[in-house]
Amino acid sequence: EAGVTQSPTHLIKTRGQQATLRCSPISGHTSVYWYQQALGLGLQFLLWYDEGEERNRGNFPPRFSGRQFPNYSSELNVNALELEDSALYLCASSLPVNQPQHFGDGTRLSIL
Amino acid sequence: GEDVEQSLFLSVREGDSSVINCTYTDSSSTYLYWYKQEPGAGLQLLTYIFSNMDMKQDQRLTVLLNKKDKHLSLRIADTQTGDSAIYFCAEKLRNSNSGYALNFGKGTSLLVTP
Repeated sequence: EAGVTQSPTHLIKTRGQQATLRCSPISGHTSVYWYQQALGLGLQFLLWYDEGEERNRGNFPPRFSGRQFPNYSSELNVNALELEDSALYLCASSLPVNQPQHFGDGTRLSIL
Repeated sequence: GEDVEQSLFLSVREGDSSVINCTYTDSSSTYLYWYKQEPGAGLQLLTYIFSNMDMKQDQRLTVLLNKKDKHLSLRIADTQTGDSAIYFCAEKLRNSNSGYALNFGKGTSLLVTP
């Protein structure tokens, strides 16, 4: 069974640009979660999608947004990139909410 | 939110047992998890425990839960050099602010020396 897949592996952008990160959950998983792992800040919850709807978001500004498609894959969009957005962005998926979250290998976003 | 606390670094010799400790924040957390992160990789789910359990054993891994003290530990028996990684403790919060997001500790770097 394929795990959670994320693309691209690496993404280099400059300040003010926009970035799109993609995630394909494990087959059969309907919930997708996004986390940011920034140096020194640990893992911070960004967004949770379930059945195509945004269910909750963490303490991040509105320029972090996303969506979930009918096939349960998801996109994370970050607008007006800032230097401090440089981080590893991890996607996780799960069956309904009480099941463990399984993570992809992440997209490393570097802002120059 | 409040912090899940973990010691930052642990060094053990190959063949010894490793014990990684964690103090979590929410006594109503339903599930508690241990994840492993190797360099350049994502998080690998190692094991998890439901809050009504005190202990769970899975091959070389033993998880102990003390709900009264909100303390979680992970014991790795016969630690190998391949166990060198960062280990994250996480609680599944269940409140109106967090939905079902995981609240992570900062991670414990485990170094296994030959």
